[in-house]
Amino acid sequence: QSALTQPASVSGSPGQSITISCTGTSSDVGNYNYVSWYQQHPGKAPKLMIYDVSNRPSGVSNRFSGSKSGNTASLTISGLQAEDEADYYCSSYTITSTPYVFGTGTKVTVL
Amino acid sequence: QVQLQESGPGLVKPSETLSLTCTVSGYSISSGYYWGWIRQPPGKGLEWIGSIYHSGSTYYNPSLKSRVTISVDTSKNQFSLKVTSVTAADTAVYYCARSTIRYFDPFDYWGQGTLVTVSS
Repeated sequence: QSALTQPASVSGSPGQSITISCTGTSSDVGNYNYVSWYQQHPGKAPKLMIYDVSNRPSGVSNRFSGSKSGNTASLTISGLQAEDEADYYCSSYTITSTPYVFGTGTKVTVL
Repeated sequence: QVQLQESGPGLVKPSETLSLTCTVSGYSISSGYYWGWIRQPPGKGLEWIGSIYHSGSTYYNPSLKSRVTISVDTSKNQFSLKVTSVTAADTAVYYCARSTIRYFDPFDYWGQGTLVTVSS
């Protein structure tokens, strides 16, 4: 099972909105609403930001939102802040032999 | 507050077995949920290794399945990872984490991670 495809990097200025894409197939993102997003700061463990496509765990800022269209899921960060600079990974359930797959990761830079 | 802490050797020789333990506090493993291992080679992305239910049912990444064993010890509130016949490609930060009611659920609590280097 190949990793989900994400852009290597996305950047934006403080206050702007950015969107990170996560492209899979009909075996994962396209047919299942089990997409999650993680934020990882350097040297730290990943933090769950979004689950089941668009749900936020308690304590996660509402500046983070998730959506899905076809085989592509998206994470939008609105009102970009310096603290949002981190790596972001999507993940999804997959019907293939590996039930859990991560995306390739996206480095978000706040200009 | 649920907390997870990985422990084990930071250096393993090639062809030997990597062994790590995750100690859970703030939640009883026997109460339920799935518990998993994820690794991240230096400068690279995340890779799911496998997950175990409190009853002992396991799910493994097929690419690692022949070399990986995950077990649980509810009396110690711990679960463990063994990877046999390691090579340099197994060098990574290893994380333990909790998912919830389904084995493919997202991981909501993570350990801090432990770097394991495979080198002679």
